[in-house]
Amino acid sequence: QVQLQQSGPGLVKPSETLSLTCTVSSYSISSGYYWGWIRQPPGKGLEWIGSVYHSGSTYYNPSLKSRVTMSVDTSKNQFSLNLTSVTAADTAVYYCARTPLQVTRVLSYSYTDVWDKGTTVTVSS
Amino acid sequence: QSVLTQPPSVSAAPGQKVTISCSGSSSNIWNNYVSWYQQLPGTAPKLLIYDNNQRPSGIPDRFSGSKSGSSATLGITGLQTGDEADYYCGTWDSSLSAAVFGGGTTLTVL
Repeated sequence: QVQLQQSGPGLVKPSETLSLTCTVSSYSISSGYYWGWIRQPPGKGLEWIGSVYHSGSTYYNPSLKSRVTMSVDTSKNQFSLNLTSVTAADTAVYYCARTPLQVTRVLSYSYTDVWDKGTTVTVSS
Repeated sequence: QSVLTQPPSVSAAPGQKVTISCSGSSSNIWNNYVSWYQQLPGTAPKLLIYDNNQRPSGIPDRFSGSKSGSSATLGITGLQTGDEADYYCGTWDSSLSAAVFGGGTTLTVL
């Protein structure tokens, strides 16, 4: 059974970079699937941040694209998120997840079938 | 403001059926597959439905999904108090080249 566990600081100062890493167990990232990040501000809904393939191919939320970088380390079976120039608006529970994704001319699909338990990241000085 | 529109809340009695709607547009629901998630209080979301109407292993058939045009619907029959949760729809938006979620619907089982 695929399991995900993320690591990273729970507190980040404004204007700094939020960095999170997700380690995948019981499945090799190199075998396929996109892997992604989703966040949920306090009391609000879900927001997709982006997804990355083991080849390095990425899709990002247009509203965050200028600040987001995602990468994969297949040797460690990990994928990572960097979000630069954070503000209080970036305070949220961050989830790493497996995000099956296929973009075609019609009938694209994107969903999230495996989630980690989530980590609260607070942006504050 | 979410790309997909859901009612903020729905309610029904135990044992009854409830439906939750998700409205989108030609750039998202109309041309792409829809998924649904259940988020119990204080927990991570769980996938209920993918590809419009497919249930992952372990999801009871009390949960069903359908799609018509640019709208999708989640149905839950035989409501239980344990079904009280927030429910989200999601899909791919071809214009944005991004995954999008609805704003979420809180289900109360009276």
